[in-house]
Amino acid sequence: QKEVEQNSGPLSVPEGAIASLNCTYSDRGSQSFFWYRQYSGKSPELIMFIYSNGDKEDGRFTAQLNKASQYVSLLIRDSQPSDSATYLCAVNHFYQKVTFGIGTKLQVIP
Amino acid sequence: DGGITQSPKYLFRKEGQNVTLSCEQNLNHDAMYWYRQDPGQGLRLIYYSQIVNDFQKGDIAEGYSVSREKKESFPLTVTSAQKNPTAFYLCASKVENSGNTIYFGEGSWLTVV
Repeated sequence: QKEVEQNSGPLSVPEGAIASLNCTYSDRGSQSFFWYRQYSGKSPELIMFIYSNGDKEDGRFTAQLNKASQYVSLLIRDSQPSDSATYLCAVNHFYQKVTFGIGTKLQVIP
Repeated sequence: DGGITQSPKYLFRKEGQNVTLSCEQNLNHDAMYWYRQDPGQGLRLIYYSQIVNDFQKGDIAEGYSVSREKKESFPLTVTSAQKNPTAFYLCASKVENSGNTIYFGEGSWLTVV
């Protein structure tokens, strides 16, 4: 079982819709969870992090964490074509180890 | 400006040659990381270091070596033992507050010729 699992996509949504990205992790001792956006050929940039169960909102983005189900998600409201990118889920394990999922490619259709 | 600097941005390696990728940070972060990304793939952890003079293997350490002699620097050597080194290499460092967030350098593209 992979430490961090994501559906590689592509996930296609129309402009203005809500995009829902999902991630599961295997290590119950994981402490912090991150969502990064990566454009082709560029390095990942942080969207947001979450470490407590529940929702965390930042502008059009909402991260959701459910530690009992070992599940973290990212919702993007009012999706824009500029949101088209690969979204990486990352998990902070023990001893500072941080593992990434394969990433989900999002396509926002104008 | 504070940040993570990787060099070179593009590097070509001949068969059987060792090459070293530089990573320098002036963010005063303790932890540093090296990841490899292949086209269309996620990030795979090569090595990470929590503190000076200490580092741990990640998931794909074979064929790579690192050193951490200074807090600011974490160079990665791609040795001739790494049979498929062509990839995008990302260096990162981590801040201990703000949820232990990892920040990345701009990356280095390594191609075998």
